[in-house]
Amino acid sequence: QAVVTQEPSLTVSPGGTVTLTCGSSTGTVTGGHYPYWFQQKPGQAPRTLIYDTSNKPSWTPARFSGSLLGGKAALTLSGAQPEDEADYYCLLSYTGARPVFGGGTKLTVL
Amino acid sequence: EVQLVETGGGLIQPGGSLRLSCAASGFTVSSNYMSWVRQAPGKGLEWVSVIHSGGSTYYADSVKGRFTFSRDKSKNTLYLQMNSLRVEDTAVYYCASLAADYWGQGTLVTVSS
Repeated sequence: QAVVTQEPSLTVSPGGTVTLTCGSSTGTVTGGHYPYWFQQKPGQAPRTLIYDTSNKPSWTPARFSGSLLGGKAALTLSGAQPEDEADYYCLLSYTGARPVFGGGTKLTVL
Repeated sequence: EVQLVETGGGLIQPGGSLRLSCAASGFTVSSNYMSWVRQAPGKGLEWVSVIHSGGSTYYADSVKGRFTFSRDKSKNTLYLQMNSLRVEDTAVYYCASLAADYWGQGTLVTVSS
């Protein structure tokens, strides 16, 4: 089974910009992996932030964007707010195999 | 308003069985790809299973052969039948339509003797 890697933790200043990445042990992440990003705050169910690389459900704030960057999937937060402090998970799909979550990134806004 | 409500979790001994239910309102589960995702205490998310709109099901290797994902169109409800439960199946189980951002609140399954 593929291993999906994320930064364990990142810190961003309020109003700052940060990019979270999602890599695959099988090689370059492409649109064919249909990358998803999820946000989870303590004690709450996850929420879908980004699907299919860069598409957003209606609730996703404009300051979040998804892309492919340097062979990985990327989630960029521009203009971080205190309420963006959360755990972020990516999910990659694999042809002929099952989707795999990354280990998650704990984002601190400080 | 869209709602997903999971029920059926609880404490079960290793080797036992449980059936989780996920009742949906505000949308039709059979028209969507629906997934089960679980989260062990203090750990990350783990994909468990998906049912496609056409009815095909797929499972994580860790649960294949032990879990069965089904749906009842008349009740607009999903089910996860979990057999031969193991200690490592202990987790909060969420049903969700990932792309639509429909998530339940989760139900805790604890497998322990």
